Amino acid sequence: DTGVSQDPRHKITKRGQNVTFRCDPISEHNRLYWYRQTLGQGPEFLTYFQNEAQLEKSRLLSDRFSAERPKGSFSTLEIQRTEQGDSAMYLCASSGLRGTTSYEQYFGPGTRLTVT
Amino acid sequence: GEDVEQSLFLSVREGDSSVINCTYTDSSSTYLYWYKQEPGAGLQLLTYIFSNMDMKQDQRLTVLLNKKDKHLSLRIADTQTGDSAIYFCAEKGRSQGNLIFGKGTKLSVKP
Repeated sequence: DTGVSQDPRHKITKRGQNVTFRCDPISEHNRLYWYRQTLGQGPEFLTYFQNEAQLEKSRLLSDRFSAERPKGSFSTLEIQRTEQGDSAMYLCASSGLRGTTSYEQYFGPGTRLTVT
Repeated sequence: GEDVEQSLFLSVREGDSSVINCTYTDSSSTYLYWYKQEPGAGLQLLTYIFSNMDMKQDQRLTVLLNKKDKHLSLRIADTQTGDSAIYFCAEKGRSQGNLIFGKGTKLSVKP
C-alpha cells in the first residue's frame, strides 16, 4: 500500500469559485479525517468519517464546506464560494478501527489551496 | 479547553542531542504524539505514547511523559541534518477522532 494520497497537490482558484479535493485513505483503514493547516500553525481538525458516516464536524467547517465519503473508501472535500481566508493546506489522514491502528493517524501529502 | 503549547524554534549542531518540549492541558488525553513535517509535505508519524507510560524509546527517539505536569518531550539522539524539519506535538482530543496539535517546533541542524 502506498499510503494516503490526495489530489490535486496544488490548486489556485479565484475568489468565489468552488473547489473539490479528493483523498484516498490507506485501503484497510475505516476512519478518515480532514484537517486544515495555515502558515505557521499546526493542523486543525475539520471533520471525521467512520466508514461512510460523518461522525464529527468542527466549528471551523462552515456551511460553505461539505465533505462526503459515499462508499466508505475515498472522500471529497468541497468548498463553495471560496474566500481568501480559505487559502491553506488541506490534509487528509486515515486510521484503522481496532487495535494499534485505531490510534495511529497517517497523513497524506496535502492539497495546497491558494485563493486569489 | 484543549490546548497544546510548544516552543517555536530549536537550533542544534549535527551529532548533538535535540530535546523538543510540549505542554498540554487536557488531563484526560489518552495518547500523545510526535509528528515530523518537512517543507511542503504532509505529516509523518514519528512515535506516540500512552498516557499510562512514562517513557518510550524507539531507535534514536526517546519520548518522556510527565503526566502530573502535563509535559511531553522528544529527544533525538545524534541529530543529523536530515532531522531538520518542524516537529508537532499532538494529543488525542475528547472526541473519538481528532488530534489537537501544537504550532510546531522548527528544528534546525547545523553541520
